Amino acid sequence: EVVMTQSPATLSVSPGERATLSCRASQSVLSNLAWYQQKPGQAPRLLIYGTSTRATGIPARFSGSGSGTEFTLTISSLQSEDFAVYYCQQYNNWPPYTFGQGTKLEIK
Amino acid sequence: QVHLQESGPGLVKPSETLSLTCTVSGGSTSSYYWSWIRQSPGKGLEWIGYIYNSANTNYNPSLKSRVTISIDTSKNQFSLRLSSVTAADAAVYYCARDGEGGTFPHPSGYFDYWGQGTLVTVSS
Repeated sequence: EVVMTQSPATLSVSPGERATLSCRASQSVLSNLAWYQQKPGQAPRLLIYGTSTRATGIPARFSGSGSGTEFTLTISSLQSEDFAVYYCQQYNNWPPYTFGQGTKLEIK
Repeated sequence: QVHLQESGPGLVKPSETLSLTCTVSGGSTSSYYWSWIRQSPGKGLEWIGYIYNSANTNYNPSLKSRVTISIDTSKNQFSLRLSSVTAADAAVYYCARDGEGGTFPHPSGYFDYWGQGTLVTVSS
């Protein structure tokens, strides 16, 4: 099973600033990596798939990069609605698909 | 717009079988892969398994011996059965759709539509 490790566990950033979230895979997942945003009481929402392709309706301030085992989600200028928990998920080596443990993005 | 809605008992006794149904609107269960995913404080997000059409399923190896996913395309629903539950199976259970572009035998692997989730507690 591919283990996904996200860092940091909590990230404190001021609105308008840039946030950089990291995700590492225990083995190469090529570019088969997705990012999700989850707010309290809601289901995860797909942001990015294929490492860098934004899902429908996702603002351009969200961008993804990386390949192999190291991936990054960048939010270029944080809006109030962006403070949430973010998860990465690999879908290269399955079953099972596996998720990271999440990074909580909080207001500084 | 595709909408998914989970339904089923919120309380299951230990050793019994958890049964949930996901009703899909705005899209057909005859296409796409349909998954169950759960989320608990202890294990985070955990993929349980998927179904494609009526006969193609794939399960998380850690749960495979206890899981059955089935589909009723006439009702546009798919279902989860998890047997011999313990406290470790308590979680919010989500149903979700595989992303665009997935075709048999290759799912996309990511999830573009999710249900709102249903909390399942395991207790006698």
